[in-house]
Amino acid sequence: KNEVEQSPQNLTAQEGEFITINCSYSVGISALHWLQQHPGGGIVSLFMLSSGKKKHGRLIATINIQEKHSSLHITASHPRDSAVYICAPSSVGNTGNQFYFGTGTSLTVIP
Amino acid sequence: EAQVTQNPRYLITVTGKKLTVTCSQNMNHEYMSWYRQDPGLGLRQIYYSMNVEVTDKGDVPEGYKVSRKEKRNFPLILESPSPNQTSLYFCASSLYGRFPDTQYFGPGTRLTVL
Repeated sequence: KNEVEQSPQNLTAQEGEFITINCSYSVGISALHWLQQHPGGGIVSLFMLSSGKKKHGRLIATINIQEKHSSLHITASHPRDSAVYICAPSSVGNTGNQFYFGTGTSLTVIP
Repeated sequence: EAQVTQNPRYLITVTGKKLTVTCSQNMNHEYMSWYRQDPGLGLRQIYYSMNVEVTDKGDVPEGYKVSRKEKRNFPLILESPSPNQTSLYFCASSLYGRFPDTQYFGPGTRLTVL
């Protein structure tokens, strides 16, 4: 079973384009994280959100708890945005934080 | 510099030869976790720890052991590695385990078991 679905799986864009990556999940969550994994393999956390919208520079993340859906937007995309973006909902239970992970969206931005 | 470190970064070994991958964080985080990443499967949680001497199984714990004797360290032990444990492994930590919190990831350890 797939508790987290991301789309698209692969995305190629021209520099400057507006990009949207979608994430749907089936589990009840406390928060949702967006992660970025660069070609070298390292993973960094971009956002943690539990409602509404957050913005960091050219990146915007939104979440709709009722619809169990989140989106990551990149405005004015740049080749350095090329990476894999991973959606990771989490829930906090008696045994602590449980993370679920999508399989990622591979983004390539062409100059 | 605040960071999560893992060693070794790359390891090639043979079936059955015990190995340990170390993980250390210098941020006084309570929560630490191990994940493996495989093509098409994404990240999967192996074990996690809420605090010293408190560990619990994740989704794929078979074939792995962990210990948390000190807050900063969370080693992953493969007593008898097998080829299906060939993977990219990440250690991560966060300040809290019982509240939604940002995770900080180590650089990854690429393990090949022949």
